[in-house]
Amino acid sequence: GAVVSQHPSWVICKSGTSVKIECRSLDFQATTMFWYRQFPKQSLMLMATSNEGSKATYEQGVEKDKFLINHASLTLSTLTVTSAHPEDSSFYICSASWDRDYGYTFGSGTRLTVV
Amino acid sequence: ELKVEQNPLFLSMQEGKNYTIYCNYSTTSDRLYWYRQDPGKSLESLFVLLSNGAVKQEGRLMASLDTKARLSTLHITAAVHDLSATYFCAADNFGNEKLTFGTGTRLTIIP
Repeated sequence: GAVVSQHPSWVICKSGTSVKIECRSLDFQATTMFWYRQFPKQSLMLMATSNEGSKATYEQGVEKDKFLINHASLTLSTLTVTSAHPEDSSFYICSASWDRDYGYTFGSGTRLTVV
Repeated sequence: ELKVEQNPLFLSMQEGKNYTIYCNYSTTSDRLYWYRQDPGKSLESLFVLLSNGAVKQEGRLMASLDTKARLSTLHITAAVHDLSATYFCAADNFGNEKLTFGTGTRLTIIP
């Protein structure tokens, strides 16, 4: 149980275009999901907390207009990287938890390359 | 603000040896988590530690939590090559669901 599916696994896009990443909880409802960014050989940095039915909460330094988050249902959160540039290239990972005592489940991650 | 420190950052060890990874956190935390990450992959949950004195074991890995010292350890017994990966600890911010991750320990097991 507690499976989180993330799609796509990798994407290459041209500079200036937008990319949408989906995160789904497959066997539980997630009122809260989390989006992380990971640079090569570094730790995970929390970007934002996605709240079902309300606005996302962004961490300090994360551009809200650059990284649009929508959590329209209890099983789906999306991250849209708008007007992507090469510096947005990174590994993006979502996570959710059905019960914190059992931990957080992470999606498989999306490797974004902006050329 | 919760901060999580891990050491060592890099660990190269021979097969069959024992070693410990340390995870210190700065403020009160509800829960402590350990994850494994293989190159190019996402995170795999290893352990969830909920209370002071908690100890959990799975195969050659054993994790413990000392909330008074704000310290968790991940002990590796008789290491094998398959354990080569990056290991992260993460603490649950008291009162909310946000996780703060440690820097990670890149473990390489040498035959």
